[in-house]
Amino acid sequence: QVQLVQSGAEVKKPGASVKVSCKASGYTFTSYDINWVRQATGQGLEWMGWMNPNSGNTGYAQKFQGRVTMTRNTSISTAYMELNSLRSEDTAVYFCTRTWDYWGQGSLVTVSS
Amino acid sequence: EIVLTQSPATLSLSPGERATLSCRASQSVGSYLAWYQQKPGQAPRLLIYDASHRATGIPARFSGSGSGTDFTLSISSLEPEDFAVYYCQQRSNWPLTFGGGTKVEIK
Repeated sequence: QVQLVQSGAEVKKPGASVKVSCKASGYTFTSYDINWVRQATGQGLEWMGWMNPNSGNTGYAQKFQGRVTMTRNTSISTAYMELNSLRSEDTAVYFCTRTWDYWGQGSLVTVSS
Repeated sequence: EIVLTQSPATLSLSPGERATLSCRASQSVGSYLAWYQQKPGQAPRLLIYDASHRATGIPARFSGSGSGTDFTLSISSLEPEDFAVYYCQQRSNWPLTFGGGTKVEIK
């Protein structure tokens, strides 16, 4: 069965970086796009960007341009989302999703001094 | 950026009743509109894509309609497990955007 398993919760200080992983199983990793979405506590959903795991091509929401990098390691069927220059407003649950039909369980990132 | 406005913010209904949720786009998104259900502590679940197509495994009581700027998600007869928050999403233009959500709560 298709599964996306994300890395665990992280606590970071302002200005630091965080790298969230998303390990795929149950399907051919390179055949489906991966999108990243975040959700602050009690708030709505916010799209961050997209990656084609086959080509490595990416596209980011302008809000995150210059601060986010999406990569992958096809040998271990894992996608990554790295967010730099963290600020308190980046505190949220970060989700990966395979073309919107399968989602990871979410990774809580807390930014606090 | 395309803004999606969902209404109402909260819908208070009883099990067995019909729910009608609205999503209005600030400009046309064609039929590139999806609906998701989210329960506390869980990831969103895709219900409807391309405005009216049910995703795999979604019960027939869920239906979507609309095109252009006005869309509707209908739940014909609410089951206990349907009380949740529902989001619409447009995939017509970047950045992809979501509506603010409608909470369907038990009356």
